[in-house]
Amino acid sequence: AQSVTQPDIHITVSEGASLELRCNYSYGATPYLFWYVQSPGQGLQLLLKYFSGDTLVQGIKGFEAEFKRSQSSFNLRKPSVHWSDAAEYFCAVGLLNSGYSTLTFGKGTMLLVSP
Amino acid sequence: DAGITQSPRYKITETGRQVTLMCHQTWSHSYMFWYRQDLGHGLRLIYYSAAADITDKGEVPDGYVVSRSKTENFPLTLESATRSQTSVYFCASSVGRTSYNEQFFGPGTRLTVL
Repeated sequence: AQSVTQPDIHITVSEGASLELRCNYSYGATPYLFWYVQSPGQGLQLLLKYFSGDTLVQGIKGFEAEFKRSQSSFNLRKPSVHWSDAAEYFCAVGLLNSGYSTLTFGKGTMLLVSP
Repeated sequence: DAGITQSPRYKITETGRQVTLMCHQTWSHSYMFWYRQDLGHGLRLIYYSAAADITDKGEVPDGYVVSRSKTENFPLTLESATRSQTSVYFCASSVGRTSYNEQFFGPGTRLTVL
């Protein structure tokens, strides 16, 4: 069965430092991959997505992610973290379920930003 | 205003009561979804709908009922609420059926069952 693993429950990064959030997936076919961000008390907002082409994907708010098929990974990166990036981040894989499109989410990584 | 809205935003109810959570979207998206978010579980799909009058179960459908008589509305009903259904519920919509279509999320409803 398809699954998404985010190995880090919490990550603390100093403001201005670089960030990498890990995501691994298990899926038989070529996956469609997404990163969403959830600020406290808010819904989820799409940061970026990958479905074909260039394996390095640029998103909003200065985030990028790289799809590595050989490692079944889709890690999210940002070169310099801002305090406003503190939030929970979810990786998800899109797949067809009985002919309909659904998303399977990882359990999330909470990003804390220290001054 | 355009977008996806949920009501109520907060709800406290008692075990055994029926509760309906509302979801409304103004984009005329075909697909709509209900998720629950619990600590340590991320988001889990409860039900989804591909169009009006077409619904299907997700990962955790037990204890929930959905309907979709109009494209823009997708209510979720807990017929007899239990404490285990205390959660944050998110509604989402998507324009199409392909797996790369982005889902747009509502702000969530925090439900507490006493």
